[in-house]
Amino acid sequence: SQQGEEDPQALSIQEGENATMNCSYKTSINNLQWYRQNSGRGLVHLILIRSNEREKHSGRLRVTLDTSKKSSSLLITASRAADTASYFCATLMIKAAGNKLTFGGGTRVLVKP
Amino acid sequence: KAGVTQTPRYLIKTRGQQVTLSCSPISGHRSVSWYQQTPGQGLQFLFEYFSETQRNKGNFPGRFSGRQFSNSRSEMNVSTLELGDSALYLCASSSDRGRGDTFFGQGTRLTVV
Repeated sequence: SQQGEEDPQALSIQEGENATMNCSYKTSINNLQWYRQNSGRGLVHLILIRSNEREKHSGRLRVTLDTSKKSSSLLITASRAADTASYFCATLMIKAAGNKLTFGGGTRVLVKP
Repeated sequence: KAGVTQTPRYLIKTRGQQVTLSCSPISGHRSVSWYQQTPGQGLQFLFEYFSETQRNKGNFPGRFSGRQFSNSRSEMNVSTLELGDSALYLCASSSDRGRGDTFFGQGTRLTVV
C-alpha cells in the first residue's frame, strides 16, 4: 500500500523556473525523505526532514513539512534540464519496526531547455 | 565513501528459474532493505535486515527471501521466477538503527522471459 500521494503526477516547466511538488501521507511519521530517480536508475537521496522539523534547505532544494496537514512539499528553484527526473517522497511511519519506507507514486518533472 | 553497490546491474532469467541478487551497503551501515519497483505497483518494500536479522517483511510471497551476512552485505533470492517478477530491485542502506538517511543503490534490472 502507498502511504504517500504525490501531486502533481507530472510537471513540465521551462529551465530557470521553479518546480513545486507535494506529498501527502496518512499516518504519523518519524521522518520523510525525498528522492530523485532518473529513468530506470537508482534513487538518489535528496533530503530527510524529521517530524519535529518544519523546513530544510539543501542547495536549490527547499522542503517543508506540515505534520498537522500530513503533507510535505519539495521546491526546486532555478530548475535546470538536468533536474528532469521522477521525484518520490518516502515516509517512515512512527510505529514502524525498523526501516520500512513507504513511497508515493512520484512526480515526473520535465525541464525544457 | 563508497555508496550502496548492487550486482549484477542487469539480469535475464527464464520462468521457473531462481535468481540471487547482491547488495553491499555503505560502510558502517547495518540496516539493509530491499524494494521492488514496477510500473504498475510502484516502489514496494520487500524486507529489511539489521545485524543479520530480518526485522521487517513486506507483503510478498515466500518465493522472495533474503539474508544478511556479518559484514552487513545482503542477498535476496527469488525462486520459481514468474513473468510478473520482472522489475527493478533496489537495495538501500541506513545507519542510526534505520532512522536516518536511507541511501539506495543503482538497482538490478531483472527481466523474466
